[in-house]
Amino acid sequence: EAQVTQNPRYLITVTGKKLTVTCSQNMNHEYMSWYRQDPGLGLRQIYYSMNVEVTDKGDVPEGYKVSRKEKRNFPLILESPSPNQTSLYFCASTGPPSYEQYFGPGTRLTVT
Amino acid sequence: AQSVTQLDSQVPVFEEAPVELRCNYSSSVSVYLFWYVQYPNQGLQLLLKYLSGSTLVKGINGFEAEFNKSQTSFHLRKPSVHISDTAEYFCAVRNTGGFKTIFGAGTRLFVKA
Repeated sequence: EAQVTQNPRYLITVTGKKLTVTCSQNMNHEYMSWYRQDPGLGLRQIYYSMNVEVTDKGDVPEGYKVSRKEKRNFPLILESPSPNQTSLYFCASTGPPSYEQYFGPGTRLTVT
Repeated sequence: AQSVTQLDSQVPVFEEAPVELRCNYSSSVSVYLFWYVQYPNQGLQLLLKYLSGSTLVKGINGFEAEFNKSQTSFHLRKPSVHISDTAEYFCAVRNTGGFKTIFGAGTRLFVKA
């Protein structure tokens, strides 16, 4: 079954404590993205990756890092989380022929 | 630059009534258009997409959308909604030459008994 997995699904942490949210896809897609979803703002792209070792900033990259060492994995790293990063995060991958986005189940992050 | 505007943030409707969720986009290049649905506490899933060809696109769960290039719109419709259609719906656009997808702010559909 084609899927995108994310872990953890829920995370409560404190300001400044580094964390990583993992993302993995089994569709051999080259393009992967991270989004955050906030009420009234829809989905905003944080970072994206066109392929292994190729990443670039999206619309709201401040405070986040990513890496793409393997095609299937695209972790999101918050080196020093702050309360304004409390949000619902989605990983997505996309590929041919239609380039629709396949989304993970989401990670709800609370930073206190 | 591209943008997507969903004209209604919330749409309440009674069960078995028709519904239209409105979406307008702006782009200087050709685009692909998508509607995604997000049920409570779940991720997003594709409802339907327009890539080329017929401007009337049919999707899952009885939804359809019509691409209107002159009005740069891609409105979503369903002739008779069910309680189970209660969800948030996102319109999205991607230019045909790239990968980046721009999402609208979402429309919450509430179906009342």
